[in-house]
Amino acid sequence: NAGVTQTPKFQVLKTGQSMTLQCAQDMNHNSMYWYRQDPGMGLRLIYYSASEGTTDKGEVPNGYNVSRLNKREFSLRLESAAPSQTSVYFCASTGLEEAFFGQGTRLTVV
Amino acid sequence: GQQVMQIPQYQHVQEGEDFTTYCNSSTTLSNIQWYKQRPGGHPVFLIQLVKSGEVKKQKRLTFQFGEAKKNSSLHITATQTTDVGTYFCAALVRNKFYFGSGTKLNVKP
Repeated sequence: NAGVTQTPKFQVLKTGQSMTLQCAQDMNHNSMYWYRQDPGMGLRLIYYSASEGTTDKGEVPNGYNVSRLNKREFSLRLESAAPSQTSVYFCASTGLEEAFFGQGTRLTVV
Repeated sequence: GQQVMQIPQYQHVQEGEDFTTYCNSSTTLSNIQWYKQRPGGHPVFLIQLVKSGEVKKQKRLTFQFGEAKKNSSLHITATQTTDVGTYFCAALVRNKFYFGSGTKLNVKP
């Protein structure tokens, strides 16, 4: 069992470039999440998906879009990257109890 | 805004000293969870508390859920260098999982 798989692990973007962070889980979980982690800010919820085809905004959704095309996959897209989006991004999924996290994506926008 | 508040932000202790982190919410929570993130790693689930006043122990770690289900604490007795990391509380609020800002623990040998 791989759990939650995130790609890529590292990425450097220029301001204005776009990219998609991929996340897949093999635990048959309904709920999936995208968080960003910045020093002193903890984990802030960007977007949430309760099930295939549904998404909902979290605390900091501006500048991001998400897509939940099927139960396994939940992607996060930055249409026009900004330096303020430099962060570590985590995808997570939840079943009945705990959240399982991916390894994270360290994104730098220059 | 932040759904769950966590303090302190940082804690530096000498190995063998105790450590406590606190989590507070303005609303009554259905449950609260605790996670540990090692440096460079991802958060890993430690425990879930559900009942009012609940206390659970995992070796040197003691977790408490307040009587009003609005606050929680994690206490580590006699810290070890392996306890280094950031500890997060998390709560389900309106079907979304929110995390506290975390307490970063540094243990000096």
